[in-house]
Amino acid sequence: AQTVTQSQPEMSVQEAETVTLSCTYDTSESNYYLFWYKQPPSRQMILVIRQEAYKQQNATENRFSVNFQKAAKSFSLKISDSQLGDTAMYFCAFTYNTDKLIFGTGTRLQVFP
Amino acid sequence: NAGVTQTPKFRVLKTGQSMTLLCAQDMNHEYMYWYRQDPGMGLRLIHYSVGEGTTAKGEVPDGYNVSRLKKQNFLLGLESAAPSQTSVYFCASTLDGYYNEQFFGPGTRLTVL
Repeated sequence: AQTVTQSQPEMSVQEAETVTLSCTYDTSESNYYLFWYKQPPSRQMILVIRQEAYKQQNATENRFSVNFQKAAKSFSLKISDSQLGDTAMYFCAFTYNTDKLIFGTGTRLQVFP
Repeated sequence: NAGVTQTPKFRVLKTGQSMTLLCAQDMNHEYMYWYRQDPGMGLRLIHYSVGEGTTAKGEVPDGYNVSRLKKQNFLLGLESAAPSQTSVYFCASTLDGYYNEQFFGPGTRLTVL
């Protein structure tokens, strides 16, 4: 069975600092996709970043980047220059050749001024 | 472009009552999903659809039914609500595959007394 684990229920960071959120997954598939979704207090989920497993280069989107370690089955999210608007729940998600996403349990990030 | 909308935003039911949640998307997406979100459990897939007229079971389908009579709409029904169905329900859609970004609605908070 495919599983996604986020071992940090809560994290906090000071504004302008850098924070890394952890995600590990378990799969025997070789080609798959990984995502980080953000859920702000308004509740509506939005995509932060997406990684294709066959691409060795780590995905980046402005201040957001990932550290994808395929052999270790690790997919961490780094947020640089944290902003108050980054305060949210962050979900790691995984999918492979199916029609479904498997989500982790989430990490609540609080950015302090 | 409204994106993904959900109706209603809040609802309180008594045990045994029935209701239908409506999800609508205006992006011409093929795939649509219903999730429930419970504290500490991330998002769990209830049912999904890969096109008009199709539906399939997800991880937690019991107690729910769905219909996709029109491409833009995906309905989630509770025939006989139970307190265990108290949750926040999210609808999502994606263009045409598991590897694409999912676009989420704002959620419906349902309380079953």
